[in-house]
Amino acid sequence: GENVEQHPSTLSVQEGDSAVIKCTYSDSASNYFPWYKQELGKRPQLIIDIRSNVGEKKDQRIAVTLNKTAKHFSLHITETQPEDSAVYFCAASGTGGGNKLTFGTGTQLKVEL
Amino acid sequence: GAVVSQHPSRVICKSGTSVKIECRSLDFQATTMFWYRQFPKQSLMLMATSNEGSKATYEQGVEKDKFLINHASLTLSTLTVTSAHPEDSSFYICSATDARTSGGKNEQFFGPGTRLTVL
Repeated sequence: GENVEQHPSTLSVQEGDSAVIKCTYSDSASNYFPWYKQELGKRPQLIIDIRSNVGEKKDQRIAVTLNKTAKHFSLHITETQPEDSAVYFCAASGTGGGNKLTFGTGTQLKVEL
Repeated sequence: GAVVSQHPSRVICKSGTSVKIECRSLDFQATTMFWYRQFPKQSLMLMATSNEGSKATYEQGVEKDKFLINHASLTLSTLTVTSAHPEDSSFYICSATDARTSGGKNEQFFGPGTRLTVL
């Protein structure tokens, strides 16, 4: 089955700096890669996603890049703000796995003033 | 659109009792619902995949006789934790998707979660 690794587990940045979180996946058949932001005790919130036919996608301060050959994808947050502080999860899914999501282990992002 | 609700949001029960959690898609028909468990400071772990009208598919290591899943309609799935024990205390989250309209995107819409505490 799919295995998703995520790094770093914790990330502390100064407000206004950029934050980058990286994930690798094992199943070359995976074709959908969402990123979620989860605040304590809340549901995961989809912030951006990318499909395997696209190499990069951007939405305001958030961007995701995908390298299918290397099987890794990254989340980039620019101009970080304190409200960006949360746990971020990457995930991967594909039709071969019944469209189920396999999550990374999470990154605790702290944006300091 | 794409709203998923869960009930209850929080439940405390005694060891040995059973607890039922409901997951509803409010404004779309969910062909597939997923149940996750999340322990403190850990990731979401898929427990089972539930397709409307058929038996759930459980992930390895998840006891199907302990975690009963029913997906009787396109808008409702239930998870029953039978004979709950303290180690079952966790945050249970459901998600739903409509494979007919997701455009192959596989996007899942998450419920708000249920915090289960077993005393």
